[in-house]
Amino acid sequence: NAGVMQNPRHLVRRRGQEARLRCSPVKGHSHVYWYRQLPEEGLKFMVYLQKENIIDESGMPKERFSAEFPKEGPSILRIQQVVRGDSAAYFCASSSGTTDTQYFGPGTRLTVL
Amino acid sequence: QKEVEQNSGPLSVPEGAIASLNCTYSDRGSQSFFWYRQYSGKSPELIMSIYSNGDKEDGRFTAQLNKASQYVSLLIRDSQPSDSATYLCAVRYNAGNMLTFGGGTRLMVKP
Repeated sequence: NAGVMQNPRHLVRRRGQEARLRCSPVKGHSHVYWYRQLPEEGLKFMVYLQKENIIDESGMPKERFSAEFPKEGPSILRIQQVVRGDSAAYFCASSSGTTDTQYFGPGTRLTVL
Repeated sequence: QKEVEQNSGPLSVPEGAIASLNCTYSDRGSQSFFWYRQYSGKSPELIMSIYSNGDKEDGRFTAQLNKASQYVSLLIRDSQPSDSATYLCAVRYNAGNMLTFGGGTRLMVKP
């Protein structure tokens, strides 16, 4: 079974550009979570989505960040007008139900120049 | 604010010894507890989950949960150099499905 897949694995953007991070959950999983890990810091929850719905976005910055999980295709985390402080590892996790274990993807490491 | 606290370490143990990693959490409503291992530059990998008070064993790993003391620990028996990593404690609260992570404890197992 394929695990959670994320692409790209590494992404370099200049300040002011847009970053799009993609996550394909484990086959059969309908719950997707995005976490951010800043350098030398712990993992912080950003957003929880189910197909076509945002369930909890309490960890998302209010501006420039958005997420979606369409009926078809991967979940997308979009960061507009990136700044240097957005440089981090962004991890996606998926689970099969609301109380099930979350399995993490390999992450996307975003570097903003 | 819900918090999960871990000693950042590094915790250094000799090969073959028992490594003991500790975690405390602030919200008594917490229901699910997880230990993840994260190698440098890699993603978190699930080691153990525990939901009830007491001990849960899986191979060389034992998770211990004490809800009254709001404390969860991970014991690694017969520690190996390959166990050297950062261990993340994660808690899922009643109110939502997100995980709240501690800052992690860096474990170093010396040959």
